[in-house]
Amino acid sequence: AQSVTQPDIHITVSEGASLELRCNYSYGATPYLFWYVQSPGQGLQLLLKYFSGDTLVQGIKGFEAEFKRSQSSFNLRKPSVHWSDAAEYFCAVGAGGGATNKLIFGTGTLLAVQP
Amino acid sequence: DAGVIQSPRHEVTEMGQEVTLRCKPISGHNSLFWYRQTMMRGLELLIYFNNNVPIDDSGMPEDRFSAKMPNASFSTLKIQPSEPRDSAVYFCASSSVDSNQPQHFGDGTRLSIL
Repeated sequence: AQSVTQPDIHITVSEGASLELRCNYSYGATPYLFWYVQSPGQGLQLLLKYFSGDTLVQGIKGFEAEFKRSQSSFNLRKPSVHWSDAAEYFCAVGAGGGATNKLIFGTGTLLAVQP
Repeated sequence: DAGVIQSPRHEVTEMGQEVTLRCKPISGHNSLFWYRQTMMRGLELLIYFNNNVPIDDSGMPEDRFSAKMPNASFSTLKIQPSEPRDSAVYFCASSSVDSNQPQHFGDGTRLSIL
């Protein structure tokens, strides 16, 4: 069965520091992978997606993620965190093999940013 | 462009009452998804539609929950009768299966059943 694991429930970083949020997936075929961000009281906003091709994908707000098939990982990175990045981050895999079929979400990582 | 529009944003009602949540997907999108988010269970897919047809409703918790999509621009999620354990944030998302686009989410409906 498809699954997504985000091992870090809560992470705190200082403003200006680098960030890496971990995501591991379980899926039998080539996965469609996504990172979404959720600010308090808001819906989920797509940060970036991987369908195929270059394994390093760029997203909005200065985020990037790298698909590593050998490690079944799709970690999210940002070189310098801003206070406005404080939010909850969700990794997801497309369970049906297509971007629009149902997504399996991880449990999320809550990011706090210290001044 | 308008995003996914959900109404109401907040709903507080007493247990036993009927609750109807509404969703207007992005124009041109032909897939629609209903999710529920709680602290205990995280984000769960309840049901999704392609071209107004329900494809997978395996996430609908029980018969008290029902969803309809009478046309391409409108969907409802109904709970009857409601119970306190239904309290959650309910999200609607839409996408375009033809152009392989990712899902776009609405701002959600925060439901509290007293």
